[in-house]
Amino acid sequence: SQQGEEDPQALSIQEGENATMNCSYKTSINNLQWYRQNSGRGLVHLILIRSNEREKHSGRLRVTLDTSKKSSSLLITASRAADTASYFCAAVGRYGQNFVFGPGTRLSVLP
Amino acid sequence: DTEVTQTPKHLVMGMTNKKSLKCEQHMGHRAMYWYKQKAKKPPELMFVYSYEKLSINESVPSRFSPECPNSSLLNLHLHALQPEDSALYLCASSQVRGGELFFGEGSRLTVL
Repeated sequence: SQQGEEDPQALSIQEGENATMNCSYKTSINNLQWYRQNSGRGLVHLILIRSNEREKHSGRLRVTLDTSKKSSSLLITASRAADTASYFCAAVGRYGQNFVFGPGTRLSVLP
Repeated sequence: DTEVTQTPKHLVMGMTNKKSLKCEQHMGHRAMYWYKQKAKKPPELMFVYSYEKLSINESVPSRFSPECPNSSLLNLHLHALQPEDSALYLCASSQVRGGELFFGEGSRLTVL
């Protein structure tokens, strides 16, 4: 299984603080992706990091990937109340086999 | 156009009904997916179509029947469902299998 496992499962922070979420997976991957989901809505793709990349940035997001530890982290800097959502990682197998979402981290950003 | 459109948004059905969920994308994506999501859980993969052929079926009960009439459309036919099948059903597409997924807003299904 390529399932990602996020940690922590719930995180509550103040606006302006940074939020870090971690993801672990089990076997070799082609890429790892992070998604956000507002309650009851569809998921929105945030960032994709390939197995040969170590770090990637997109706006206030920073993703790292450590293939030796089979882990990834998502950092959201200067968080806003609008960042309140569930965040999921998904590890995609070497041959594009599909990909299973981890249990997710529920982030609450308090104003 | 970067949208995946799902209809209906809400569906209530009895256990003896037959209904269908529909999904449409016009991004030229060649892979399309059905996921099922229960409250406070991650989406669970049900089916994957790649180039209009079913490539993954994650041991889903036969009361769920997918169909991909063409590269833009994906249907999920529902028959003799159980109350535990009540969930949010999400459709997604990607340019190729394993690429970035674009999700629809989902169809919320309630089975009475």
